[in-house]
Amino acid sequence: DIQMTQSPSSMSASLGDTVTITCLASQDIGNYLSWYQQKPGKSPKLMIYGATNLEDGVPSRFSGSRSGSDYSLTINSLGYDDEGIYHCHQYYEYPLTFGSGTKLEIK
Amino acid sequence: EVQLVESGGGLVQPGRSMKLSCAASGFTFNNYDMAWVCQAPKKGLEWVATISYDGSSTYYRDSVKGRFTISRDNAKSTLYLQMDSLRSEDTATYYCARSDGYPFFDYWGQGVMVTVSS
Repeated sequence: DIQMTQSPSSMSASLGDTVTITCLASQDIGNYLSWYQQKPGKSPKLMIYGATNLEDGVPSRFSGSRSGSDYSLTINSLGYDDEGIYHCHQYYEYPLTFGSGTKLEIK
Repeated sequence: EVQLVESGGGLVQPGRSMKLSCAASGFTFNNYDMAWVCQAPKKGLEWVATISYDGSSTYYRDSVKGRFTISRDNAKSTLYLQMDSLRSEDTATYYCARSDGYPFFDYWGQGVMVTVSS
């Protein structure tokens, strides 16, 4: 199975900051990676697919990138609404796997 | 508006069965692959199973193979998950999710809680 190692597990940042969350794939997954945002008690929301493609309606402050087997989600100009847990997900092959999640707190 | 509404969760004893349903609306159900994803309390997301748009192909994570069955009724726009021989480690919120071409998930239901305990 493909392991997705996500870091950090939690982070705290201030309003207006830029933060980056990363996922390392245990083998090649091409660009078959998506990112989800999950608010407390809510279902996940698709933010990025194909490693770099912004889902419709997602603010352009969010962006995805890839460097080899490292995938990153960057959020610019942090706002209170960005607080939540972010999950990466590889869909290159079955079984589909997720990272362990990053809890983002806005100070 | 795309809507996915799960039902059928609750408390069940170990070794017993439970069937989850997901009623879909707002899109042409039989054009999309569908999946179940679960999340144990305070844990990360885990993919459970996927079924193709026409029901001809199914995929499962190893820990549920032979115990869980994903199915769909396209005439009723409903997705199902039959869960047999339930274990305490199956305790989780189960989400129904839609796959848009590739197996990432563009819409999710609100989730239904399944608690396996004696």
